[in-house]
Amino acid sequence: AQTVTQSQPEMSVQEAETVTLSCTYDTSESNYYLFWYKQPPSRQMILVIRQEAYKQQNATENRFSVNFQKAAKSFSLKISDSQLGDTAMYFCAFGAGNSGNTPLVFGKGTRLSVIA
Amino acid sequence: DTAVSQTPKYLVTQMGNDKSIKCEQNLGHDTMYWYKQDSKKFLKIMFSYNNKELIINETVPNRFSPKSPDKAHLNLHINSLELGDSAVYFCASSQLTGPRGETQYFGPGTRLLVL
Repeated sequence: AQTVTQSQPEMSVQEAETVTLSCTYDTSESNYYLFWYKQPPSRQMILVIRQEAYKQQNATENRFSVNFQKAAKSFSLKISDSQLGDTAMYFCAFGAGNSGNTPLVFGKGTRLSVIA
Repeated sequence: DTAVSQTPKYLVTQMGNDKSIKCEQNLGHDTMYWYKQDSKKFLKIMFSYNNKELIINETVPNRFSPKSPDKAHLNLHINSLELGDSAVYFCASSQLTGPRGETQYFGPGTRLLVL
């Protein structure tokens, strides 16, 4: 069974600074996907970024980028130029790709506070 | 132009009652899911449906019965509600193929409070 670990329950960052959220996972799958989702106080689960395991290039989406280390099974999220609207819970999630459309396994989340 | 919608957003009810949560997606996806988020924010899969067929049931009590009338809808019916059922329930959908394949899109969640 897959597991996802987020070792930082809470983090804070000054506005405009950079912050990195860590995530490690354990799997025996060779084909899989990794995701970061953001859950602001509104409760909506919003996709931040997606990475296919077979791609060596790290995914980026504007101010969000990942550091995907497949051998180390690490998938950290870097947020640059942090904004107040980035304040939210961030969840790392694993999706096995071989059997198609498998449920996501989530980490316990990191609560990020951006301070003005 | 909501992609995945859920109704109701809030549900307050007494122990022992029966309630339903509805979910609809207009993305044309083949697979739909129900997740439960507990008071500690932990998200866990409950059910997965592909083209109206149950794929995964993660040892959820049989008081929970999902129903998929068509591939755009996945409703969740809960019988004999218990205090421990209080949580936020999320519906999600995904498509196997395409550039965004395997990515799950979530509804806004339904906060259920059992008194």
